[in-house]
Amino acid sequence: GQNIDQPTEMTATEGAIVQINCTYQTSGFNGLFWYQQHAGEAPTFLSYNVLDGLEEKGRFSSFLSRSKGYSYLLLKELQMKDSASYLCAAMDSNYQLIWGAGTKLIIKP
Amino acid sequence: IAGITQAPTSQILAAGRRMTLRCTQDMRHNAMYWYRQDLGLGLRLIHYSNTAGTTGKGEVPDGYSVSRANTDDFPLTLASAVPSQTSVYFCASSDGIGTDTQYFGPGTRLTVL
Repeated sequence: GQNIDQPTEMTATEGAIVQINCTYQTSGFNGLFWYQQHAGEAPTFLSYNVLDGLEEKGRFSSFLSRSKGYSYLLLKELQMKDSASYLCAAMDSNYQLIWGAGTKLIIKP
Repeated sequence: IAGITQAPTSQILAAGRRMTLRCTQDMRHNAMYWYRQDLGLGLRLIHYSNTAGTTGKGEVPDGYSVSRANTDDFPLTLASAVPSQTSVYFCASSDGIGTDTQYFGPGTRLTVL
């Protein structure tokens, strides 16, 4: 079957760094997406990886290892506004997204 | 209008009633999607449309139907609502199929009693 695993909840301190991990098993693979979702709002796109390695975009970076079925999202210089859920989604061979349940990130002052 | 709009924002519905959730995008995107989001679960695809005039079934299509008469609109209909359809429903669109980024509407919170 197809499956995405990510931690349910994480807590971090303002100004610190946090890494949110995601493991995936899909029928075929066409890339890994990360989305941010604030409570009561729509998911918004953060990053897309299809090749192994690290993609950096400002304070956010995303890493992919296809051989390990593993990705992480790295958030630096955490701000209170980063408190949100972070959704990992893998695209299968039919180009359909398989979504994880999301990681709720709590930022403390 | 900018992006994707959904209506209504929220709705309380009696079981057995028919309900249509509306979704409109103004980005001229070819592909559109309907997802439901339930606590503790990932987004689950209900139906999708790769282009106007075509639709397909996602992971959880039972009890739902869609139509795509034109590029902009993609309504989702619950023919006879049941309490298990209580959820938050998101419409999304992407320029093409494949690895194009999906953009989401604000969601409809539906409660079926």
